[in-house]
Amino acid sequence: GEDVEQSLFLSVREGDSSVINCTYTDSSSTYLYWYKQEPGAGLQLLTYIFSNMDMKQDQRLTVLLNKKDKHLSLRIADTQTGDSAIYFCAEDTDKLIFGTGTRLQVFP
Amino acid sequence: GAVVSQHPSRVICKSGTSVKIECRSLDFQATTMFWYRQFPKKSLMLMATSNEGSKATYEQGVEKDKFLINHASLTLSTLTVTSAHPEDSSFYICSADSYNEQFFGPGTRLTVL
Repeated sequence: GEDVEQSLFLSVREGDSSVINCTYTDSSSTYLYWYKQEPGAGLQLLTYIFSNMDMKQDQRLTVLLNKKDKHLSLRIADTQTGDSAIYFCAEDTDKLIFGTGTRLQVFP
Repeated sequence: GAVVSQHPSRVICKSGTSVKIECRSLDFQATTMFWYRQFPKKSLMLMATSNEGSKATYEQGVEKDKFLINHASLTLSTLTVTSAHPEDSSFYICSADSYNEQFFGPGTRLTVL
């Protein structure tokens, strides 16, 4: 079945790198996404990666995809307090399947 | 950029009443909109796909007679929770499709007493 899993919580010091991990089960995913949800707000698309890529970099964000292990990660360099939010990965088969979300807390 | 609004942002209602949530694409037209429900400690779950001018497609396990979806125009989809019960309390999020990218609304917090 379709299942996307993430760890629930991550705490990092400001300025350090954050790595949020995600595993998925459907190998037919075409795109994999990372969304950010700030308190009280909807989801914002942060970045995405096509399934035939293994890495994508976008400013402070680096997405790594290991298709063999069905593992996706999001690295945020120089994490700031404004990065505190819930991060969802999602796989796109014929619909979006979201992970459970990882709450990132950044402390000074 | 593409903006999607939802109204209301929060609603509290009594058990047994019906609640309508609106989802609007403000600066683009969307033939397809999606309704999600966010469960505590769980992910967003797709409830249904709303297509302008036709019946919505519901995901397995979602009661179509309870969650009525109407997509009467290219900029508006509505979700009506009929005969709401406390277990319907949740955060409902819509999204609108624009050139195969989904833009999300800010969500509606429904609390059923």
